[in-house]
Amino acid sequence: SQQGEEDPQALSIQEGENATMNCSYKTSINNLQWYRQNSGRGLVHLILIRSNEREKHSGRLRVTLDTSKKSSSLLITASRAADTASYFCATTQGQPGANNLFFGTGTRLTVIP
Amino acid sequence: KAGVTQTPRYLIKTRGQQVTLSCSPISGHRSVSWYQQTPGQGLQFLFEYFSETQRNKGNFPGRFSGRQFSNSRSEMNVSTLELGDSALYLCASSLRGYEQYFGPGTRLTVT
Repeated sequence: SQQGEEDPQALSIQEGENATMNCSYKTSINNLQWYRQNSGRGLVHLILIRSNEREKHSGRLRVTLDTSKKSSSLLITASRAADTASYFCATTQGQPGANNLFFGTGTRLTVIP
Repeated sequence: KAGVTQTPRYLIKTRGQQVTLSCSPISGHRSVSWYQQTPGQGLQFLFEYFSETQRNKGNFPGRFSGRQFSNSRSEMNVSTLELGDSALYLCASSLRGYEQYFGPGTRLTVT
């Protein structure tokens, strides 16, 4: 399978704490993206990091990418109850601009108020 | 701008029937991709259309097909439905070939 693996599968934290999710993938990539999904609905794009970048920030989100280890991490700081959702990493491979995303297995985050 | 819309939102079909799902992308987006989400297999790429041409295809049987119209709207069709086709089908549109904007999905139940 070309899917990535995410770790942990589920994470439960208190509001205000930080949440860290990890993603590993198998092949060389063009970029890696993180998406959020609320309870069986559509996915929302959070952040994209290119294969030649090592770290990227967006608001309370921080993403790192280590292409030598084929892994990425997503850090959500100062979590809120509204952050409760499933988080997926997704990679694009092959031809630049290709829109076939390969998703990880997802991390289910629960933020307790 | 209006987001990606998918119709219908829910659908119940019987084994052996066929089904057509519709997706309207964000205005100006020419790329439309389809994904299947199931508890067992997760999110899997079905195919991508760009300017009415299939540009990429995932590893699904030929029962799954799609098309894109000149206004970028897309349809996917599943023939001879099987119980395992029960899933959330997600459509996404993209402008620059990077981040994708997803619709709310069509939940298909095959009985």
